[in-house]
Formats: sequence, C-alpha cells, structure tokens
Amino acid sequence: DSGVTQTPKHLITATGQRVTLRCSPRSGDLSVYWYQQSLDQGLQFLIQYYNGEERAKGNILERFSAQQFPDLHSELNLSSLELGDSALYFCASSSETIGTDTQYFGPGTRLTVL
Amino acid sequence: AQSVTQLDSQVPVFEEAPVELRCNYSSSVSVYLFWYVQYPNQGLQLLLKYLSGSTLVKGINGFEAEFNKSQTSFHLRKPSVHISDTAEYFCAVISPEGGADGLTFGKGTHLIIQP
Repeated sequence: DSGVTQTPKHLITATGQRVTLRCSPRSGDLSVYWYQQSLDQGLQFLIQYYNGEERAKGNILERFSAQQFPDLHSELNLSSLELGDSALYFCASSSETIGTDTQYFGPGTRLTVL
Repeated sequence: AQSVTQLDSQVPVFEEAPVELRCNYSSSVSVYLFWYVQYPNQGLQLLLKYLSGSTLVKGINGFEAEFNKSQTSFHLRKPSVHISDTAEYFCAVISPEGGADGLTFGKGTHLIIQP
C-alpha cells in the first residue's frame, strides 16, 4: 500500500459526458502528479500540482483540467469524453517537487467511455 | 525532452533462471533513472532508482540495475526469478531540474515466469 488513494476504482460513462477523478496523496506529500495509461500511448504524464499550484504540464488535453485543494487532495476533471479517453488514470505523490523524490502511485481509476 | 526505449515488450523466462530487462534512454540533459513494477490490477511500485554515485543500484525483491552513461542504458537484472515476479516493468527518467514534466516512461516489458 503506497498510501495514495484514488476514487472511484472504476468509472463507466458515455461519450460527451464529464467525470471527476479524486486523489488523496500520502500524508505530508505536497506534490501530486496525474498520469494516463492507455494501450496505444503507454504511460503519459498529464499534469503536476505542488502545494495547490500548477507546476508542470505534460500531454494534457484542453478538455482535461485538474486542481489541488488546500487539504492537498487533487481532482482531475475530464469533459466532453471521447472513446479514446478510456484508460487507467494514476495519481502519484511525492514530498517535494524535485527529480530525486520518489513518486508513490495510487491504485488508479479505470475509466471506460462507451 | 527525454525518451525511453524498452527493447523487449515481453520476456519469458523459467523460474529460478536469471533475467535482464533492457532500457535505453535519450536525453539532451542529465537524468535520474527509475524502474517501476506494476503487478496485475495494481498501481506502480518503485523497484530502484539511480541518482548519482555508484552505477550499480540495488533495489527491492532482489533486483539490481546498472547505469551505463556511454551506452545510455539502465538495464534491470535479477539472478533468480520467482513466479511472483510476473508483472509489467517500466523504466522511467526525469530531469534533475525538477519535477517539471513528470516521469517519462518506456512502453513496459511484460515479464512472464514459466514454471
């Protein structure tokens, strides 16, 4: 158990809909990362937040957004969903925001868009 | 920008045999290197990481990896595998400049242990 929690575990929705994925980092960790794992693209970094502020953006679509709240939990919002958004979405957390920090991954949320 | 190539998508090996999972990276700057393991229906777990110093890094579950700067490689090895090592293994890099850009992962290698 990494200490990172993600809800829900599974999500099934239809094209055009909007969903919110939630992540609670390990106790004391200030940095949260979101990754997408799909069969064709592999594991891709989406976005990072540190202590409530956006720090880095990866291959995140404009239809996707995220935020980190004062209690440090984070939410990833996916809108106007398409079939190709079906994937496993991971959240990871680390204590700081430097490359030496280990990122601890949650169990993931599996999103299925029908 | 960095990239990671895992040369084998699948590696079958017999139980108690040695294994090597290959990883090569490309980067215009120095990087830190990681190996993560993903067991079925689970998240990723860190096996080991190379930041600096000794090029041979030991990790959990008997795994080790060797950083080779001239060959830009970071191959993962285990002298004797067990059925429980069946999993997907990911090599990843990150720039020392910070967490910016997150980890860049390879496509993964599926290690299949045959009894």
